[in-house]
Amino acid sequence: TQLLEQSPQFLSIQEGENLTVYCNSSSVFSSLQWYRQEPGEGPVLLVTVVTGGEVKKLKRLTFQFGDARKDSSLHITAAQTGDTGLYLCAGAMNRDDKIIFGKGTRLHILP
Amino acid sequence: EAGVAQSPRYKIIEKRQSVAFWCNPISGHATLYWYQQILGQGPKLLIQFQNNGVVDDSQLPKDRFSAERLKGVDSTLKIQPAKLEDSAVYLCASSLVDWRRDEQFFGPGTRLTVL
Repeated sequence: TQLLEQSPQFLSIQEGENLTVYCNSSSVFSSLQWYRQEPGEGPVLLVTVVTGGEVKKLKRLTFQFGDARKDSSLHITAAQTGDTGLYLCAGAMNRDDKIIFGKGTRLHILP
Repeated sequence: EAGVAQSPRYKIIEKRQSVAFWCNPISGHATLYWYQQILGQGPKLLIQFQNNGVVDDSQLPKDRFSAERLKGVDSTLKIQPAKLEDSAVYLCASSLVDWRRDEQFFGPGTRLTVL
């Protein structure tokens, strides 16, 4: 059973378009993180959200944590080719639990 | 500041052989993590050290995998004997104390192919 379900698995869009990817769970998470991973490299942390309903912005990226802390979304405005990569969500249900990752959304921005 | 170093970057072995991976975390980081990332999946935590003590190794297949961080700095992960299903990228990461409070920095990984 995958505790963190990410959708879509793959997304290919034109540069300049907007997109949203999702991270869903049937369990409540105490904190949730989003990472971006490029080929041949390790994941890089983008954001951590801890409060239900929290919204964080990082330039053209907007992250939202659901009110019930069971889901999160990542919205990219005016996508650029540099946004191409694997987007992973990760988190822990309880404070002392180990981190678990979703399978990721592979995003490809076409020039 | 130097990042997390891992070696080798690539390794090809035959099943039943042994292999070892090395990780040097960022200087001053107390916590070190080893992850397994199978193609098409997210990383799975294998073992977490704080200094030279094990915090969590619940997902480490202990019949064939072992890891140590003897002096609380660099670490080695060993597989003996390897199986076909061990083919994956092995990622090492480090953080000051805890991934929830402090950013976790990942190395580039070691890509293992078991034939």
